[in-house]
Amino acid sequence: GQQVMQIPQYQHVQEGEDFTTYCNSSTTLSNIQWYKQRPGGHPVFLIQLVKSGEVKKQKRLTFQFGEAKKNSSLHITATQTTDVGTYFCAAYSGAGSYQLTFGKGTKLSVIP
Amino acid sequence: DAGITQSPRHKVTETGTPVTLRCHQTENHRYMYWYRQDPGHGLRLIHYSYGVKDTDKGEVSDGYSVSRSKTEDFLLTLESATSSQTSVYFCAISDAWTGRQETQYFGPGTRLLVL
Repeated sequence: GQQVMQIPQYQHVQEGEDFTTYCNSSTTLSNIQWYKQRPGGHPVFLIQLVKSGEVKKQKRLTFQFGEAKKNSSLHITATQTTDVGTYFCAAYSGAGSYQLTFGKGTKLSVIP
Repeated sequence: DAGITQSPRHKVTETGTPVTLRCHQTENHRYMYWYRQDPGHGLRLIHYSYGVKDTDKGEVSDGYSVSRSKTEDFLLTLESATSSQTSVYFCAISDAWTGRQETQYFGPGTRLLVL
């Protein structure tokens, strides 16, 4: 079935440093979604990317979808303690699918 | 947050006992999902429903059954709980009436411990 590989599994950064997590698939994706889960919380939708080469920004967060639609990244500029949590990428298993497959997530720790 | 509740929020049970988790939504969304989350595995789909009485298996469905008799309720049953089913269970919903691959909205989760 559909697999999305996400790296790194863990990332510890000093507050103010940048952070990037990467998501890769062996197959072309119809779209990709990103979710954030705070410690003890539930996953919360951040954004969906659909177009090849798409770049979207949400304040300090920049999301990219690769030209071949097989990879994506989330970059956070100047991390803050409020960015702590696990970031997941997720992709539907094929264009007509309603099953969302999640990467294993990147757990971000921010040292004040 | 979308109107999704899960009950119970925490449960401790013994191996071999049946357990039912409930997900209730007030959004009238068509699709409902059950995931389990374990360290190192991320979120894995157990079962999902695409309408009343319409369900299908996900990646890790063995040992679980589901039922959906009303749009708003999706039940997950562990017929005979095992320690390997100790996990955090999340319900999610999506409004896929348009046929597009929609955002999923998650409930608060249920922490299940099987002793």
